Amino acid sequence: QVQLVQSGSEVKKPGASVKVSCKASGYTFTSYGISWVRQAPGQGLEWMGWISAYNGNTNYAQKLQGRVTMTTDTSTSTAYMELRSLRSDDTAVYYCAREITMVRGVMGGWFDPWGQGTLVTVSS
Amino acid sequence: DIVMTQSPDSLAVSLGERATINCKSSQSVLYSSNNKNHLAWYQQKPGQPPKLLIYWASTRESGVPDRFSGSGSGTDFTLTISSLQAEDVAVYYCQEYYSTPYIFGQGTKLEIK
Repeated sequence: QVQLVQSGSEVKKPGASVKVSCKASGYTFTSYGISWVRQAPGQGLEWMGWISAYNGNTNYAQKLQGRVTMTTDTSTSTAYMELRSLRSDDTAVYYCAREITMVRGVMGGWFDPWGQGTLVTVSS
Repeated sequence: DIVMTQSPDSLAVSLGERATINCKSSQSVLYSSNNKNHLAWYQQKPGQPPKLLIYWASTRESGVPDRFSGSGSGTDFTLTISSLQAEDVAVYYCQEYYSTPYIFGQGTKLEIK
């Protein structure tokens, strides 16, 4: 079955960086993009950005530009999200999700499935 | 950026009764090139990731019970649960995928009355 499995919880100090992985299985990795979404404790869902697993194109939320980098390793069907200069308000559960579109390599689709989530805690 | 506003913020419905959640976008999410509304609905239970229920505003995802239905076009959308079951207790989110940044509604918490 189609599955996304994320790396484990992280605790980081303010100013540090975190890199979360998302390993895909059950489908052709390069046929879809991956979006990253985060959810602060008790809050709603915030889209962070997207990467095409087909050609590596990215699209980041403007508020995170300069602090976030999304990459893929097609040899292992794994997507990565790195967030730098961490602040306390970056504390959240981070999800990866496969983005379903009718055309490979483009955006504009819905998310299914989602990874199980990775809790990133930023605290001094 | 598009603003997505859900109503109500919370809702309590008796078992077997109908639940209706509304979602309004600040601009149309109907894409003229494919005549489709770029709007999805998700269900999130405590401690779990969101689960896709509906895409293209009204297409039910495979495996989703037929008591869940989506309707609407342009800027106004509705998720309806025709006969509430205990397992439907969750937070429901609408999301536009018309333009980036993709925006989610603030969520509607559905409980049993």
